Amino acid sequence: DTEVTQTPKHLVMGMTNKKSLKCEQHMGHRAMYWYKQKAKKPPELMFVYSYEKLSINESVPSRFSPECPNSSLLNLHLHALQPEDSALYLCASSQETAGEEQYFGPGTRLTVT
Amino acid sequence: AQSVTQLGSHVSVSEGALVLLRCNYSSSVPPYLFWYVQYPNQGLQLLLKYTSAATLVKGINGFEAEFKKSETSFHLTKPSAHMSDAAEYFCAVSEGQAGTALIFGKGTTLSVSS
Repeated sequence: DTEVTQTPKHLVMGMTNKKSLKCEQHMGHRAMYWYKQKAKKPPELMFVYSYEKLSINESVPSRFSPECPNSSLLNLHLHALQPEDSALYLCASSQETAGEEQYFGPGTRLTVT
Repeated sequence: AQSVTQLGSHVSVSEGALVLLRCNYSSSVPPYLFWYVQYPNQGLQLLLKYTSAATLVKGINGFEAEFKKSETSFHLTKPSAHMSDAAEYFCAVSEGQAGTALIFGKGTTLSVSS
């Protein structure tokens, strides 16, 4: 099973809402990632979790709050977002070995109104 | 710092024609290189990867890429394009350490006409 699942597929939220994005993998990967992708652009790294600990935070605004409850799950909590945060949010996972490929989920299309 | 340059933001071919998508990398150490494909409103799917085992790498869907250290290139090819190949293609390099980001090129949109 090389699948990374993400829920929901689509999310529309107001600027005062609180919502969460969820990501799950059952490949035994110990590194998990959140990327943000704007239209016609490559994915941009937001966070990396390694062995359930936050190892990289690419200076992401605090209105985005990641959480890794266990080795299979990754959440992204959203609060007080801005319209410019509208994007495709991609989750990925990989083995904790140099050069290992990352497996991506289908993404959550987020629209902030 | 490592980087990737994809030459040509948009490539158009006819069905059955050769597909060539160009990627050049910059790295001070032997790189790990990847090609991903993204169909509209979907995530990224790995086509192939180079990890120094062989310079010619075969991937899924008939794609292959050749690592040329002297040219710092990792171009993606497919002998005969199919309509279903129309998508966005990203070349990426890994910083080589476990659990670090992929550094993506800006992407190339492949269009296939009948």
